[in-house]
Amino acid sequence: AQSVTQLGSHVSVSEGALVLLRCNYSSSVPPYLFWYVQYPNQGLQLLLKYTSAATLVKGINGFEAEFKKSETSFHLTKPSAHMSDAAEYFCAVSVLIKAAGNKLTFGGGTRVLVKP
Amino acid sequence: EAGVAQSPRYKIIEKRQSVAFWCNPISGHATLYWYQQILGQGPKLLIQFQNNGVVDDSQLPKDRFSAERLKGVDSTLKIQPAKLEDSAVYLCASSLVDTDTQYFGPGTRLTVL
Repeated sequence: AQSVTQLGSHVSVSEGALVLLRCNYSSSVPPYLFWYVQYPNQGLQLLLKYTSAATLVKGINGFEAEFKKSETSFHLTKPSAHMSDAAEYFCAVSVLIKAAGNKLTFGGGTRVLVKP
Repeated sequence: EAGVAQSPRYKIIEKRQSVAFWCNPISGHATLYWYQQILGQGPKLLIQFQNNGVVDDSQLPKDRFSAERLKGVDSTLKIQPAKLEDSAVYLCASSLVDTDTQYFGPGTRLTVL
């Protein structure tokens, strides 16, 4: 079984400051890991994903995440926050089911507030 | 390419009424998912289809929820009768077979009074 824990349901950062969102996972098999962003009244948009290639993954909008197996972590960072980064962010773990897609298990989400 | 389409976007009903949501996946995506997202929580998978067959419905409350994907393309999720705790956003997603990326629709926000 897989599970995801996101530390901190709310994060407040100043514009231009570092954004750090924490995610720890549990998986009985080598995981696929994802970060999704959700803007108000919208669906989820994929930011980046780890699928057992490079451990440092770069995504859209300047975000990146590093897979650390020893720490079972997949934290998301962005060097400089922008007002448009205000949204809710979800970390997810999945297992690919052969010929049947994958099953995502999401964390509880972290809402990011960006202060001017 | 067109994204995942869902309708309606918003629905308000009273408890014990029935409601249905519709989803049209991205063309060519054989796998379709329905998620329930309660306010303040992450999405939870309700049911997963592969073409018109069910892959996983272990978290679907089958006494009141049902879903179908008769022709292997669009899908309908129904709740009958609705309870207050069913208030949530219902998200539909789709993916190609044997790929890891799911594409999400905008969701249907259900309010049960």
